Amino acid sequence: SQTIHQWPATLVQPVGSPLSLECTVEGTSNPNLYWYRQAAGRGLQLLFYSVGIGQISSEVPQNLSASRPQDRQFILSSKKLLLSDSGFYLCAWRSGGFSYEQYFGPGTRLTVT
Amino acid sequence: DQQVKQNSPSLSVQEGRISILNCDYTNSMFDYFLWYKKYPAEGPTFLISISSIKDKNEDGRFTVFLNKSAKHLSLHIVPSQPGDSAVYFCAAGVNTGGFKTIFGAGTRLFVKA
Repeated sequence: SQTIHQWPATLVQPVGSPLSLECTVEGTSNPNLYWYRQAAGRGLQLLFYSVGIGQISSEVPQNLSASRPQDRQFILSSKKLLLSDSGFYLCAWRSGGFSYEQYFGPGTRLTVT
Repeated sequence: DQQVKQNSPSLSVQEGRISILNCDYTNSMFDYFLWYKKYPAEGPTFLISISSIKDKNEDGRFTVFLNKSAKHLSLHIVPSQPGDSAVYFCAAGVNTGGFKTIFGAGTRLFVKA
């Protein structure tokens, strides 16, 4: 069966510090991978998605970036965090084909102070 | 630009009664619609979906209705149970070279025992 891992579960970082969040998927190959952010009291905002190694599509211009160094690994990064980067970050995957269903990881709660 | 709108931030229903959650969308290119359920501090879980070529899909206590002319969909839960209390996200999918899903802001459902 497929599983998706995200770490860390919670993170408190000062403004201006770097960020690296990691997501890995097991039990599937060549998944489409997604990063979302849920700000307090808001919906899910699509940040990045990837259809393959090294292929990243950005949905919202901001100080975040994403990379996919391996087939089942997706990394969200920032060189300098802003207060507005606080939120709940979710990684998701979908299998290939024509199915839209996505499966989400447990999320990372990021607080920028 | 909110392409997927859930105008009711919360809904309270008595156990055993019907819960109706509504969602409106603006982009006629969406070809697939999904509902996800989310508990606090967890990732969303897929609940039910419907293709744009259908107007109804049923799975146990959950039914999704799609009205394409009105660009409106709804999720019916019958009968509602206290365990259904969660945030429900409406989502719409479009294939633009990658399968993107746009989420609404969510509706928090309270089912009272």
